[in-house]
Amino acid sequence: LAKTTQPISMDSYEGQEVNITCSHNNIATNDYITWYQQFPSQGPRFIIQGYKTKVTNEVASLFIPADRKSSTLSLPRVSLSDTAVYYCLVGGVTYNTDKLIFGTGTRLQVFP
Amino acid sequence: GAVVSQHPSWVICKSGTSVKIECRSLDFQATTMFWYRQFPKQSLMLMATSNEGSKATYEQGVEKDKFLINHASLTLSTLTVTSAHPEDSSFYICSAQTSGGPPSYNEQFFGPGTRLTVL
Repeated sequence: LAKTTQPISMDSYEGQEVNITCSHNNIATNDYITWYQQFPSQGPRFIIQGYKTKVTNEVASLFIPADRKSSTLSLPRVSLSDTAVYYCLVGGVTYNTDKLIFGTGTRLQVFP
Repeated sequence: GAVVSQHPSWVICKSGTSVKIECRSLDFQATTMFWYRQFPKQSLMLMATSNEGSKATYEQGVEKDKFLINHASLTLSTLTVTSAHPEDSSFYICSAQTSGGPPSYNEQFFGPGTRLTVL
């Protein structure tokens, strides 16, 4: 399973765009990149998933360069409620056989 | 989206007793469920993979006789912490993986977690 490296923490202010980059140099051909958000004392919540190029949904965008050795989660106009830990995971999507290994995550603190 | 529940949400027990935590997929069938443990200010640590109708697969360093996992149906997996000790106090989280859908998409749905405190 590919190991991921993320910044331990980041600070931002309300209304700003936040970009969290994750390194995964050993990503395999069949690995997808998935980001989760976790609030204190809650289970992780799926944010976005991608394989290559760019993916966008209602809450975030995910940018993946051609070599797929890194990815960037982009949160537009963050609010105080975006204060959480964000985890980047990579793994294969073989039917019913994949397990997720969580790295350290990035603790995002949003200030007013 | 798919919903996963856990029961209880928190539990306090005496040292030496056993505690059972349930994980249910409410609106989908989950062939595979996963159990994680999370200590304060730390990341989630995968404990074991639970497959319906078969024995769980434990990660290295996790005692299978201490953390008993049963996955008797496609919607229920249980984790029993046997002879609990204060060092077992932690936040236990389960996740369930859908058993259907495109093979190119794999999403795990996480439960809300169970806070275990062993006195």
